[in-house]
Amino acid sequence: GESVGLHLPTLSVQEGDNSIINCAYSNSASDYFIWYKQESGKGPQFIIDIRSNMDKRQGQRVTVLLNKTVKHLSLQIAATQPGDSAVYFCAENTGSGGYQKVTFGTGTKLQVIP
Amino acid sequence: GAVVSQHPSRVICKSGTSVKIECRSLDFQATTMFWYRQFPKQSLMLMATSNEGSKATYEQGVEKDKFLINHASLTLSTLTVTSAHPEDSSFYICSAKRGFGGGTNNEQFFGPGTRLTVL
Repeated sequence: GESVGLHLPTLSVQEGDNSIINCAYSNSASDYFIWYKQESGKGPQFIIDIRSNMDKRQGQRVTVLLNKTVKHLSLQIAATQPGDSAVYFCAENTGSGGYQKVTFGTGTKLQVIP
Repeated sequence: GAVVSQHPSRVICKSGTSVKIECRSLDFQATTMFWYRQFPKQSLMLMATSNEGSKATYEQGVEKDKFLINHASLTLSTLTVTSAHPEDSSFYICSAKRGFGGGTNNEQFFGPGTRLTVL
């Protein structure tokens, strides 16, 4: 079936460096993508989103890139800080109208080395 | 704004008992709420979509008679795990979406999760 998956399960980054977390998706009909951050024992926290009619969107220290040609999504975190250590999920929104759902990828654990 | 709460945050119960988990949108009305389950070191798996005033839509493989969902108001949805067994032990997370339909705001707001342990 359709799925969203990640290339790397764990990413270790030195504090201050930039982090890049990648995600591959397979549902070409998805029109909306979201990145979430989940700290241990907590619910997911929205980071940034992007619609399929865009290829780049920037937030505070974060940038999401979308390549629809190869169905690839990435999250870039600038100047990674210890507080960025968490599991990051990409997710895609599917469906339409009153029935839409968010499907989560497998997650990447980001470890920031002080 | 857009805060979602869950109660309880943690529950331990005996096998065979039922457990109810509440999900509330504190400062907005949520016509749609979602229930997810997350096992350790795994991703969130959608269990069901709940629209206020109508029956929940369950994902494939989720037993609707075991996981009872009620969305009686625009700010409250409940998940009842009936006759819980150790394999039901998991982290249950709800989310709520403002508004209805696609529109321009698809953002979901997640609760903090409920850790269920069945002995």
